[in-house]
Amino acid sequence: EIVLTQSPATLSLFPGERATLSCRASQTINIYLAWYQQKPGQAPRLLIYDASNRATDIPDRFSGSGSGTDFTLTISRLEPEDFAVYYCQHRNSWPLTFGGGTTVEIK
Amino acid sequence: QVQLQESGPGLVKPSETLSLTCTVSGDFITSYYWTWIRQTPGKGLEWIGYIYYTGNSNYNPSLKSRVTMSTDTSKNQFSLRLTSVTAADTAIYYCAKSVRHGLANDAFDVWGQGTMVTVSS
Repeated sequence: EIVLTQSPATLSLFPGERATLSCRASQTINIYLAWYQQKPGQAPRLLIYDASNRATDIPDRFSGSGSGTDFTLTISRLEPEDFAVYYCQHRNSWPLTFGGGTTVEIK
Repeated sequence: QVQLQESGPGLVKPSETLSLTCTVSGDFITSYYWTWIRQTPGKGLEWIGYIYYTGNSNYNPSLKSRVTMSTDTSKNQFSLRLTSVTAADTAIYYCAKSVRHGLANDAFDVWGQGTMVTVSS
């Protein structure tokens, strides 16, 4: 089973700042990584798939990069609605797994 | 636009069977692979498995001995059965849709709202 480790656990930033979130895989997963945003009481929302492809209707301030074992989600300028928990998920092999999440909170 | 809605009991007794259904609207169930995912405060998000309308399925090894998934094309629904439940199965259960046609190992672009299932006597 591939383990996804997200860091930091919590990111405290001001609105307008840049957020950089990391996801590291325990073995290579090519580009097969997705990112999700989850707000309290809601289901996760797909942001990025296959490392860098934005999902439908996702603003361009969200971008993803990486391949192999190291991946990054960048939010270029944080909007108030971006404060949430972010998860990564791989699709390289079975079972699919998720990272433990990064909370982006308002400083 | 595809929408998913989970339904089923919110409370299940230990050792009994958890049964949930996901109703698909906005597209045919034959178009995609369909997945169940659960979320707990302790273990986070956990992929349970997928089902295709042909019966093709794959389950998480950690749950494989207790999980069965199925589809009902006439009702555009798919279902999850988890037997011999314990308190550790208490979670929010989500059904989800793969992004791409014909791809089982995919990201998930449409999720149900989630249904909380508590295992307790």
